[in-house]
Formats: sequence, structure tokens, C-alpha cells
Amino acid sequence: DIQMTQSPSSLSASVGDRVTITCRASQSISRYSNWFQQKPGKVPKLLIYGTSTLQSGVPSRFSGSGSGTDFTLTISSLQPEDFATYYCQQSYSPPYTFGQGTKLEIK
Amino acid sequence: EVQLVESGGGLVKPGGSLRLSCAASGLTFINAWMSWVRQAPGKGLEWVGRIKSKSDGGTTDYAAPVKGRFTISRDDSKNTLYLQMDTLKTEDTAVYYCATGALWDWGQGTLVTVSS
Repeated sequence: DIQMTQSPSSLSASVGDRVTITCRASQSISRYSNWFQQKPGKVPKLLIYGTSTLQSGVPSRFSGSGSGTDFTLTISSLQPEDFATYYCQQSYSPPYTFGQGTKLEIK
Repeated sequence: EVQLVESGGGLVKPGGSLRLSCAASGLTFINAWMSWVRQAPGKGLEWVGRIKSKSDGGTTDYAAPVKGRFTISRDDSKNTLYLQMDTLKTEDTAVYYCATGALWDWGQGTLVTVSS
């Protein structure tokens, strides 16, 4: 199975900060990486698929990049509603594993 | 608008069985690949498995911890997805989410508690 390792596991930042979360796959997954956002008590929401394509309705301050084994999610200017837990996932080969999550907290 | 509504969760003893259902609307279900994802209390997301559409073979894939114990099936005439869970363990305690195949749309989840 492909392992997805996210870093950091938690992160404190301020409104307006630029934030980057990274995800490393245990083998090449081409560009089959996805990113999800989950707020406390809420259903996860797909933000980005295929490494860099924003899901409909997702603000343009979110962006994704990478290929092969290394991927990043960047939030260009943090907004109050962005404080949440973020998960990467690979959809290259089943089982479609998730990373362990990055909790983004307000500094 | 896609709507996915899970049902069937509850309390079950270790070694027991439970069947979850997911009623789908707002999509052409017969053509949809469908997935199950779970989340243990206070933990991260865990992909459980997926079923392809019958036109794409109707095959299933599962995560290692549930393979051989869980079975995903579908009834296209009822627009319903199922997750049959057998030989349940305490570590299967989680909220179970139904989702479209690529996880674009999610249900609200149903809680399964495995405890004696």
C-alpha cells in the first residue's frame, strides 16, 4: 500500500499568513494527489484534485503543486474560515490512502 | 445537487455484524463509482473501500484492515450503496461516510460503535 506522510502535523499561523503543508508519498503517484479540508464536527470537503485543480467554489487563495512523490498545499493569505484540519490523499492505486492530517490553528 | 444519506449505524458487540446503507440522489447512480470512508473518534480519515459501476465491471477494492470482513455492494434499482460489516472489532468504531467515487460529494456520516 502507498503511504502518505504529511508535515507538519500541526501548525499555528495568523490571519494573512502564507501557509504551506507538504505531503510525501511512499512511491510515485504521478499527479494523483487530492487535498481535503475538515472543520470540527463537519464533513470533509474536497479542495483540490489532480494535484492542482481547484474544486468548484474553492477560493483561489488555495493552490496545490507537485508530482511524483512530493506535493504541497498552499494557502496564500489565511482567512479566519481556513482554520481547520487538512488531509492529503492519493488516488493513484487502491487502497486510496490519506495522510494523517495537519491541524491548522490560530496563533 | 448530489445528496447522500447514510443509515444503519449503531451499537454492536465485538464479533457482530452491521449493514450500512447510503441512499443517493441528484446523480446518475448507475454510472457512479462509490466509496466508503471512516473516521474514528478524534482521529484522521481512513479510506475503507470503493465499488465501480457495473458498466466498469462492478469490482471492489478495500483497505487492508477491513479486507475479508467488509463487503461493499450496490442496488442500482434503488440508488443505494451498502457496506456489510462482519466480525466487527472495537477498532472499527468510527463515523462511516458514504461518498462519490472520487470523494467529491459526501454524506453526513453514520456512527458505528463496537463495544461490549
